[in-house]
Parts: sequence; C-alpha cells; structure tokens
Amino acid sequence: GENVEQHPSTLSVQEGDSAVIKCTYSDSASNYFPWYKQELGKRPQLIIDIRSNVGEKKDQRIAVTLNKTAKHFSLHITETQPEDSAVYFCAASRGGSQGNLIFGKGTKLSVKP
Amino acid sequence: SAVISQKPSRDICQRGTSLTIQCQVDSQVTMMFWYRQQPGQSLTLIATANQGSEATYESGFVIDKFPISRPNLTFSTLTVSNMSPEDSSIYLCSVAGFSGRGDEQFFGPGTRLTVL
Repeated sequence: GENVEQHPSTLSVQEGDSAVIKCTYSDSASNYFPWYKQELGKRPQLIIDIRSNVGEKKDQRIAVTLNKTAKHFSLHITETQPEDSAVYFCAASRGGSQGNLIFGKGTKLSVKP
Repeated sequence: SAVISQKPSRDICQRGTSLTIQCQVDSQVTMMFWYRQQPGQSLTLIATANQGSEATYESGFVIDKFPISRPNLTFSTLTVSNMSPEDSSIYLCSVAGFSGRGDEQFFGPGTRLTVL
C-alpha cells in the first residue's frame, strides 16, 4: 500500500521568511496530492492540492510542486505570517473511487513575530 | 464546500461499552471516509464507507471492532465497539465527490472520545 513520508517534523521560521515542507510517496498509481493545515483543536483544512498531470500550482503565498518521477512533492509558503503557525499534513491518493487519503506524519510550523 | 456535522462532539465512555458516531452532510457526496487521529499524531484511515454495501477497511481495522453504516449519500455512522482506553482518540469523517469538487476531501469537526 501507499506510504507517505514527510519532513521536517518541526519547522521554525521568522515572520516574512519562506517555509518548505517535503513529502515522498511510494505508490506510483497515486495521482492526487492535497495539503492540509490543522490548527490546535480544529479539523484539518484543505489549503491546496495538485494532480499528477501538473508540475506546480500556486495560490497567493502558497505553492505546491510535484516531481512524479522522483515521487516527491513539496509545499512552499512565502512571506510567512504568525497565523501560518499550525500543523501541516501532506497526503496522497489514487483519486476517484480510490480516493482514500494516506497522510504524512505532519510538520509543526512555528512562525515567530 | 459541504457542511459536515458530527454527533456527538465529545464523549467519555467506560471500557467495554460501545459508542456510535454520526456524520451528516448537507449535500449528496460520492465518498465518505472515517479517520482516527490520536493526540499529537497524524490521521489514520479506518475505512471507506460504501453506500449500500459493506465498508472497505484498512489494514489493522476490522468490522467487528468498527462497524460502519452508510444508508444514503448524506449520512454515515461509525461504531467503536467494546472500547478500551487505547480507543481514546479523535474520530473524523470526511467527504469527497460533490458539486464538481472531484477528489477534494473535507473533514467534519471530529468526535473526541475518552475511554476510562
């Protein structure tokens, strides 16, 4: 089955700096890769996703890149703000009727003012 | 996105008892899933709730311990049976496949379960 590895487990940056979180997956049939942000005591929130036919996707300060050959994908947050502090999870699935997500272990991001 | 509710939001139960968690969506969805998140940990998929047929369980989870129902396209239940303290966790339902959102998956607010 699918296995998703996520690094680093914790990340501390200064406000305004960039943050990068990396994930690798094992199942070559996976084609959907979402990222979730989870604040303390709240549900995971989908912040961006990418499909295997796309190499990069951007939404304001957040971008995701995918290297399907190497089976890795990354989340990039630019101009970080204190409200970006949270736990971020990457995930992978085959999509469609096999849309069950396999999650990485999470990255706790702290943005210091 | 769809509005997803779960009941109860939290509960404290005695070992050996069972608890049924409900997940309700305000629109029809293709896929419904159940996850477990232990404190400070990631999300682990328990099963895919299939409408009109038996749920599909992930390795390590069995129907006798976590029976799941999905009678229609907007509702599902997860029962945690014969509970032990190790079952203390947050249980989340998620949904996908509605309103053209494709594979995007959205989570309910979760049910925080404590087993004494």
